[in-house]
Amino acid sequence: EVQLLESGGGLVQPGGSLRLSCAASGFTFSSNAMSWVRQTPGRGLVWVSVFSGGGGGTYYADSVKGRFTISRDNSKNTLWLHMSSLRAEDTAVYYCAKHLSGSWSFDSWGQGTLVTVSS
Amino acid sequence: QSALTQPRSVSGSPGQSVTISCTGTSSDVGGYNYVSWYQQHPGKAPKFMIYDVSKRPSGVPDRFSGSKSGNTASLTISGLQADDEADYYCCSYAGSFTWVFGGGTKVTVL
Repeated sequence: EVQLLESGGGLVQPGGSLRLSCAASGFTFSSNAMSWVRQTPGRGLVWVSVFSGGGGGTYYADSVKGRFTISRDNSKNTLWLHMSSLRAEDTAVYYCAKHLSGSWSFDSWGQGTLVTVSS
Repeated sequence: QSALTQPRSVSGSPGQSVTISCTGTSSDVGGYNYVSWYQQHPGKAPKFMIYDVSKRPSGVPDRFSGSKSGNTASLTISGLQADDEADYYCCSYAGSFTWVFGGGTKVTVL
């Protein structure tokens, strides 16, 4: 069974930094692209960043480009999102999501971790 | 990277069918057959319902079906049940390793 477990969320001041983690199990982590998707309280889902599988590249939504960095360690089955220069509008629940192999869709999601940016 | 357009809400009685539209552009929905749909109950993570426009993952009832015409994709729920009451989000690949979601549609079972 695929499991994705996010951690690292919390309260941070504007301009601050935070690192989110996603521990994966139940599948061959190295083979799959992995994304971060966020959801503002009471609003919709927004794709944030992807780390493609098989040693591929990293890509970002325009709203976080230059401030967020996605990384992964396939030996530890872990995905990270390092967030810096945080703004109030980054406040959201952040989900780790696994891509379905051979398709550009998200077939498994973690339970999410809440990031609140406020002074 | 503008969000795809979905109706804010749709409703139907048990047993009826409802259809949710998802309108994008030729750069996302119209340009790729990579539209997916997700169901989200309050306080829960999204659940994978439809991928590649019309394919159903194992375990998803065949009451859920997807389609696409031009820049608009659709999700139809047939034989509406109480547990189908949830928020539904469409998503499309938008090229260059980016994705765009819709704003979400609340389905109410009357």
